Amino acid sequence: DAGVIQSPRHEVTEMGQEVTLRCKPISGHNSLFWYRQTMMRGLELLIYFNNNVPIDDSGMPEDRFSAKMPNASFSTLKIQPSEPRDSAVYFCASSLSGESQPQHFGDGTRLSIL
Amino acid sequence: SQKIEQNSEALNIQEGKTATLTCNYTNYSPAYLQWYRQDPGRGPVFLLLIRENEKEKRKERLKVTFDTTLKQSLFHITASQPADSATYLCALDMGGFQKLVFGTGTRLLVSP
Repeated sequence: DAGVIQSPRHEVTEMGQEVTLRCKPISGHNSLFWYRQTMMRGLELLIYFNNNVPIDDSGMPEDRFSAKMPNASFSTLKIQPSEPRDSAVYFCASSLSGESQPQHFGDGTRLSIL
Repeated sequence: SQKIEQNSEALNIQEGKTATLTCNYTNYSPAYLQWYRQDPGRGPVFLLLIRENEKEKRKERLKVTFDTTLKQSLFHITASQPADSATYLCALDMGGFQKLVFGTGTRLLVSP
């Protein structure tokens, strides 16, 4: 069984560049979540989708961040322009719809903005 | 807003002992609470879920309790093993729509 797949695993880029993170959820899951994890703030929800529709993006830090889910098997999180404070590990998770469903996480993208 | 507190210091115990991790929250009591395990360089992995009307839940060597009066959940690992060493995160629902708030986690180190 393939789990949640994220790419790239590591990304190092210079400030001001556009960064695109990718996620393939588990087949059959119709909820998808993007999180950011840092030592200071822990794991924070950025945005989540249900049936490809964004439900809550209140965690997105600012307009530089955007996320899309064009179909049930693919999502992107884009940062443009990137800043050093965006450096973190970004996780994608998916689950079945419904309250209390466990979330299945990918292994994250470690992003470093120089 | 909901605030979650987990011990920020690492918990060191000896193999075979029971590890007990604490998750405290403020404000309203969630409808359910989940516990996850995270290993270095990996994403969190779901372990257990407990609902507000459940006092206790067990799965193999794991046990979770939920006390809505104390606003606290305890996570126990009995007969701990070095392979149990990891960071453990609690997560609370935000009143529906699958939105979870995670604690910062407690690192558990089990020595042989």
